[in-house]
Amino acid sequence: DQQVKQNSPSLSVQEGRISILNCDYTNSMFDYFLWYKKYPAEGPTFLISISSIKDKNEDGRFTVFLNKSAKHLSLHIVPSQPGDSAVYFCAASRGNAGGTSYGKLTFGQGTILTVHP
Amino acid sequence: KAGVTQTPRYLIKTRGQQVTLSCSPISGHRSVSWYQQTPGQGLQFLFEYFSETQRNKGNFPGRFSGRQFSNSRSEMNVSTLELGDSALYLCASSLGQGGEKLFFGSGTQLSVL
Repeated sequence: DQQVKQNSPSLSVQEGRISILNCDYTNSMFDYFLWYKKYPAEGPTFLISISSIKDKNEDGRFTVFLNKSAKHLSLHIVPSQPGDSAVYFCAASRGNAGGTSYGKLTFGQGTILTVHP
Repeated sequence: KAGVTQTPRYLIKTRGQQVTLSCSPISGHRSVSWYQQTPGQGLQFLFEYFSETQRNKGNFPGRFSGRQFSNSRSEMNVSTLELGDSALYLCASSLGQGGEKLFFGSGTQLSVL
């Protein structure tokens, strides 16, 4: 039972263009969503998060959009840079809604982003 | 501010042995969580400790255990190692309030031969 899904295993974009990474979830109890960037054999690095009370959050080149009715979130990177090439993980957790799931993030399978110069 | 520190970085063990991994959280963080990453299963939650108590647990067998010390440092132990335990083990720390971002260490790469 995969509660968080990233259906695109890979994405390739040109430098300077927009990268859009997508994520779907099934558990309606999730109320906090995060995106992490990861390189092989290293730990994930936090990028940006969004609470379920919002539908958009921006931080520099990164914007996360949340569509609660569709149980869908996306990460937009504009403009994309070669240094953005990595695996991107979407994650979800339960904060206050339905009981807090301390320390537990449910991750998607990841999307490999490649940004070509 | 120092990040999450995990030791050792790499470990090679044989089947049947046991292993202990260590994690030092970010200063001021009282929650430590452990995750296993494998190519087939992705990132999976093992357990979470807060104030020396296990507060949350994932779906792993009892061979996987952990503990937390009064300074918030944590250790994870795997007994009777199996080939399938080969993975990257990640530790993450946070304030422990729930519904918050976690800060991950670089991980311990465990190979079981």
